[in-house]
Amino acid sequence: GNSVTQMEGPVTLSEEAFLTINCTYTATGYPSLFWYVQYPGEGLQLLLKATKADDKGSNKGFEATYRKETTSFHLEKGSVQVSDSAVYFCALNAGGTSYGKLTFGQGTILTVHP
Amino acid sequence: NAGVTQTPKFRILKIGQSMTLQCTQDMNHNYMYWYRQDPGMGLKLIYYSVGAGITDKGEVPNGYNVSRSTTEDFPLRLELAAPSQTSVYFCASSHQRELKETQYFGPGTRLLVL
Repeated sequence: GNSVTQMEGPVTLSEEAFLTINCTYTATGYPSLFWYVQYPGEGLQLLLKATKADDKGSNKGFEATYRKETTSFHLEKGSVQVSDSAVYFCALNAGGTSYGKLTFGQGTILTVHP
Repeated sequence: NAGVTQTPKFRILKIGQSMTLQCTQDMNHNYMYWYRQDPGMGLKLIYYSVGAGITDKGEVPNGYNVSRSTTEDFPLRLELAAPSQTSVYFCASSHQRELKETQYFGPGTRLLVL
């Protein structure tokens, strides 16, 4: 079946530090990959996505590259801010008969200190 | 444009009670989903719908029921609440089942069963 594995959290960083959150996946076929972010007390919102191998998704200074050879979609940001403190979820859409259903990783809590 | 709205935001139930979690979207999306989020876990799919009158089970459907009488509404019913159903519930919608489609999430309903 399909699965997504994220690095263990929580992650605590100082402002302006470099961020990497690892995400690897298992899926049949060629899924689309997503990073969603959940700010405290809110629902999930799309951060970025990539729909085919070697695509790079980017938004708000965050980037992730779809690596088919390593089945990975790691999230990176060069300089984090306090406002980036949130829970980050990696997810995949396997397409086809999955009817758009998303398979999520367990989420990574990020806390950024001033 | 309200997007996906959910009510209530928070509810406490006693064991054995019933309730309906409401979900409405105003984006004319065909596909709608219910997920639950347990602490330290990713989201798991409870039920989904590909259009009015059509619903199907997800990964964790036991103890829940859904209906989809209109495109806009997708209520989730708990018939006999159990402590294991304490969770945060998210409704989501998307336009199509295509690989690249983004799912839009509501703000969530926090449910506590005592």
